[in-house]
Amino acid sequence: DGGITQSPKYLFRKEGQNVTLSCEQNLNHDAMYWYRQDPGQGLRLIYYSQIVNDFQKGDIAEGYSVSREKKESFPLTVTSAQKNPTAFYLCASSIQQTSYNEQFFGPGTRLTVL
Amino acid sequence: EDQVTQSPEALRLQEGESSSLNCSYTVSGLRGLFWYRQDPGKGPEFLFTLYSAGEEKEKERLKATLTKKESFLHITAPKPEDSATYLCAVQAGTGNQFYFGTGTSLTVIP
Repeated sequence: DGGITQSPKYLFRKEGQNVTLSCEQNLNHDAMYWYRQDPGQGLRLIYYSQIVNDFQKGDIAEGYSVSREKKESFPLTVTSAQKNPTAFYLCASSIQQTSYNEQFFGPGTRLTVL
Repeated sequence: EDQVTQSPEALRLQEGESSSLNCSYTVSGLRGLFWYRQDPGKGPEFLFTLYSAGEEKEKERLKATLTKKESFLHITAPKPEDSATYLCAVQAGTGNQFYFGTGTSLTVIP
């Protein structure tokens, strides 16, 4: 079955640690995205990538980093510079970002800072 | 500033009691409006895409409509399994971002 997988489902981080969230898709989609979801707020875009080896900052990129070495993979690193990282993180993909195509989401990773 | 507003924030319905959720937007050059369903602790599930005013889409008990300023998600004779948060997003202008509303939390009581 085609889809988007995220791992782990739950992640706990100590202050000062970097952690990496995994996102893999087998939909052959060109574009991939990372969002953060906090209670009472809409989804906010962290980073997005239209093609391999290229990515752009979203609205809240500070304290995060990404890579896109393969079409199917778009890992997100939450660095120690992110002051309030506790949130629900969602990865999404779409066929081609510049056309009118819907985004499909993974199941999410809940990150908690201890 | 582009903005997407959903109302109400929360809605409780009796099973079988039809209602509508609203998504209003203030963007320039709408390219698409998207509805998603999100269950607690899960990723959003795609429901509909609407591209132009006057367009309508249906799926089971759900019907989405679009005007130049807002979209409605009509729920006919809802069942408890329709309970979820419904998210609206728009894609607009020359940019490629989606702008999400904060969602409507729907509870359908048996």
